[in-house]
Amino acid sequence: QPVLTQPPSASASLGASVTLTCTLSSAYSNYKVTWYQQRPGKGPRFVMRVGTGGIVGSKGDGIPDRFSVFGSGLIRYLTIKNIQEEDESDYHCGADHGSGSNFALVFGGGTKLTVL
Amino acid sequence: EVQLVQSGAEVKKPGESLKISCQGFGYTFTSYWIGWVRQMPGQGLEWMGIIYPGDSETRYSPSFQGQVTISVDKSISTAYLHLRSLKASDTAMYYCARWLQPFNWFDPWGQGTLVTVSS
Repeated sequence: QPVLTQPPSASASLGASVTLTCTLSSAYSNYKVTWYQQRPGKGPRFVMRVGTGGIVGSKGDGIPDRFSVFGSGLIRYLTIKNIQEEDESDYHCGADHGSGSNFALVFGGGTKLTVL
Repeated sequence: EVQLVQSGAEVKKPGESLKISCQGFGYTFTSYWIGWVRQMPGQGLEWMGIIYPGDSETRYSPSFQGQVTISVDKSISTAYLHLRSLKASDTAMYYCARWLQPFNWFDPWGQGTLVTVSS
């Protein structure tokens, strides 16, 4: 099953843009990942899913247009434009693998985004 | 509104057992898988297992197989996570979440249940 690697932290100034990364282990370049946002003290919230062709399906409820995704090679990106204070959160990526009795889900370690 | 509502915070002693509940509202509970995810203090998310309420088919992460039991009572639209022989290292927030197929993502998530294991 894949391993997902995320930088532990990122920061950006209010109104700026930031791109978060989720890197798949080699041999999994065709995998899609899902991004989740976790605000301080809250449970995770679905943001959107991404493959090498871009977004898969639709964004989560209430996710603003400032959020976008793309994928290239082994990396899946989440870009946030015009960062707002409410975007300060932990961002987790996850991937599903296999089916039936071999089904598994893995998550990256998460990236803590600080808004300066 | 689709939502998952989890049982409240628990404080347990080492060696005790615990069953956390997750009740679904606003959708056909038996038609969607429910997953359980652990988040230890200050750490990332770990997938524990998943159950299909329609027939109780269950799949576990190898990391949690044999350590936990996931069950469901579809008559009350509720999934359960049973933790046995609790240790201090089981102190964590536990989340349930609905798995949406064929999209393959969790949405929505429960509010989380904080479990504290301390002597």
